[in-house]
Amino acid sequence: DAGVTQSPTHLIKTRGQQVTLRCSPKSGHDTVSWYQQALGQGPQFIFQYYEEEERQRGNFPDRFSGHQFPNYSSELNVNALLLGDSALYLCASSTQAGGPGQTQYFGPGTRLLVL
Amino acid sequence: GESVGLHLPTLSVQEGDNSIINCAYSNSASDYFIWYKQESGKGPQFIIDIRSNMDKRQGQRVTVLLNKTVKHLSLQIAATQPGDSAVYFCAENDSWGNQFYFGTGTSLTVIP
Repeated sequence: DAGVTQSPTHLIKTRGQQVTLRCSPKSGHDTVSWYQQALGQGPQFIFQYYEEEERQRGNFPDRFSGHQFPNYSSELNVNALLLGDSALYLCASSTQAGGPGQTQYFGPGTRLLVL
Repeated sequence: GESVGLHLPTLSVQEGDNSIINCAYSNSASDYFIWYKQESGKGPQFIIDIRSNMDKRQGQRVTVLLNKTVKHLSLQIAATQPGDSAVYFCAENDSWGNQFYFGTGTSLTVIP
C-alpha cells in the first residue's frame, strides 16, 4: 500500500518563475492538504482540497494556488517566486470518512530552492 | 488564532533512558492532537494521537498525556533508542478540523 508520494523531490528555480508541485494521496484518502516548512520551523498550513475544491486556506498570498483531480491527486502552484518561498513543501493526505479532525499523513516533501 | 509551542527546543538523552517532550497549546477548543517525528530530509511521520475526551493514550514505547486544564501535551518515549533521534512536533487541530497547527519542534538526540 503506497503512502503519500510527492514529485519532484528537489527543485531549483529563480525569482519570478513559476513552479508546480505534485502529490498523490495515500490509498483510500480523498483529502489533500499542503504545508510549507521553512528551515528550522514547523509546517505552516497553505490550503486543503476536498472534492476538487479548496475548502480552507491558511495565511498565504494568492500566488499560491492549487488543484485537485478526480483521482484525488493534487498540485500546488506558486507564481512569481520569491527568495522567501524557498522551503520544504509537504503534502498530507486524509479522509473525510468519520467527519472532520482526521489524521493527516505526510509525504516526503519537495525541497524548493529559489535563487 | 491557535498557537502551539514547545518548552524545550533540544533534548539529549542516554540510550535506554526515557524521554519526555512537552508542548503547550493555546486554543482550549482544540479537540485533536498528533505527535509527529521528523527525521532529516523526510516528511513528518505520525507517531500517536489523542482526542480531547482522553487524558492518556499509549502506543508501542510511546505515551501521550493531555492536560486540558493547563493546555499541555507531552510525549513520553520509553527506553529511547538511537533511531528515535529526530525532531518531534506536536500538532493541534483547528476548530473546523481541516488544518493542523505545529509548534517549532524539539530536537531529540540519543547518546549511545
